[in-house]
Amino acid sequence: GAVVSQHPSRVICKSGTSVKIECRSLDFQATTMFWYRQFPKQSLMLMATSNEGSKATYEQGVEKDKFLINHASLTLSTLTVTSAHPEDSSFYICSARDASKSSYNEQFFGPGTRLTVL
Amino acid sequence: DAKTTQPTSMDCAEGRAANLPCNHSTISGNEYVYWYRQIHSQGPQYIIHGLKNNETNEMASLIITEDRKSSTLILPHATLRDTAVYYCIVRVRDYKLSFGAGTTVTVRA
Repeated sequence: GAVVSQHPSRVICKSGTSVKIECRSLDFQATTMFWYRQFPKQSLMLMATSNEGSKATYEQGVEKDKFLINHASLTLSTLTVTSAHPEDSSFYICSARDASKSSYNEQFFGPGTRLTVL
Repeated sequence: DAKTTQPTSMDCAEGRAANLPCNHSTISGNEYVYWYRQIHSQGPQYIIHGLKNNETNEMASLIITEDRKSSTLILPHATLRDTAVYYCIVRVRDYKLSFGAGTTVTVRA
């Protein structure tokens, strides 16, 4: 149990286009999902917190108009990178928190999406 | 949020126990210690967490000192598949996890 999927696993796009990444919790409900970005040889950096039915909250320095997050259901959150540029090339990872386990913070991570902007 | 300090890297022999230290001297009384690991080009994987008592699951054991200022993750019988970056994280605000640099563990045959 506790599986999180991401789609696509890898995407290559041209500069100026938009890319949508999906994050799904397959066997549990996730009221909260998180989006991270990881550059080569660096650690994960939290970008935003996605709450079902409400607006996402972004970490300092992350442009909300560039990284659009939608959390329309308890099992799906999407991250759209708008007008992508080569500097947006990175490994994007989502995680989901099991809403039934309120006593602690076990988060389940997706496999990640490798975005390359040409 | 409490800061954690981990060694940059460590090697261990396959089949032997791997002991990964973590210092968290500014941890608050109600903050948990979490361990995750990330195998190359994959998403992080939850390993274990604890508050005060030592914990054990099918993956590892977590030993927390009595003063809670440090902890050790123990992989009892390391395999090549345990090669990964291991992150020690102290409970953060609003369930957010703050990843540091972690410890790169290389298990050698």
